[in-house]
Amino acid sequence: QQKVQQSPESLTVSEGAMASLNCTFSDGTSDNFRWYRQHSGKGLEMLVSIFSDGEKEEGRFTAHLNRASLHVSLHIREPQPSDSAVYLCAVSRWNTNTGKLTFGDGTVLTVKP
Amino acid sequence: EAAVTQSPRNKVAVTGGKVTLSCNQTNNHNNMYWYRQDTGHGLRLIHYSYGAGSTEKGDIPDGYKASRPSQENFSLILELATPSQTSVYFCANRDRENTEVFFGKGTRLTVV
Repeated sequence: QQKVQQSPESLTVSEGAMASLNCTFSDGTSDNFRWYRQHSGKGLEMLVSIFSDGEKEEGRFTAHLNRASLHVSLHIREPQPSDSAVYLCAVSRWNTNTGKLTFGDGTVLTVKP
Repeated sequence: EAAVTQSPRNKVAVTGGKVTLSCNQTNNHNNMYWYRQDTGHGLRLIHYSYGAGSTEKGDIPDGYKASRPSQENFSLILELATPSQTSVYFCANRDRENTEVFFGKGTRLTVV
């Protein structure tokens, strides 16, 4: 069964400094990796979805994928206090009939003004 | 209008009672999912469906049943609710071709 682990559990950065979050997964046949943001008490907002090794940028959010290392990261450029939230990594074998997402437990990001 | 809508948004149930959480989709996708999210954790898959009449067990199915009577509707049923099932429940569907996943806004269930 797929295991997804995120680190660190919590991260505090100053406004404008780069924030870097990590996610490791156990199933090397996984082919889709997503990062979601969840503000307190709210639903899920997808930030970036990546299928291939390398990087994918969506605005201030960049995902880096290295499937050989079973690792995907999220970098947030110029974070703002409004980016304070829980960030969830989700991994799937997208090109299967099931296509289910397996989530990590999240990283709590706090951005200080 | 949201593609995936859940009802109710909030529910308080008594231990031992029956609870039905409903999910409706308007974007006509085959795969639908029910997840639960406990405080401080990510989402975990309870049941999913490939289409009308289909239900499959996810990673944590114990204590839950699912029903998919039509393409549009996917329900999660707690026959005998317990306090350990207090959680936030999310419904989702998948657009495989366009690589999108649509989530509902969640149902907060409290079992007392």
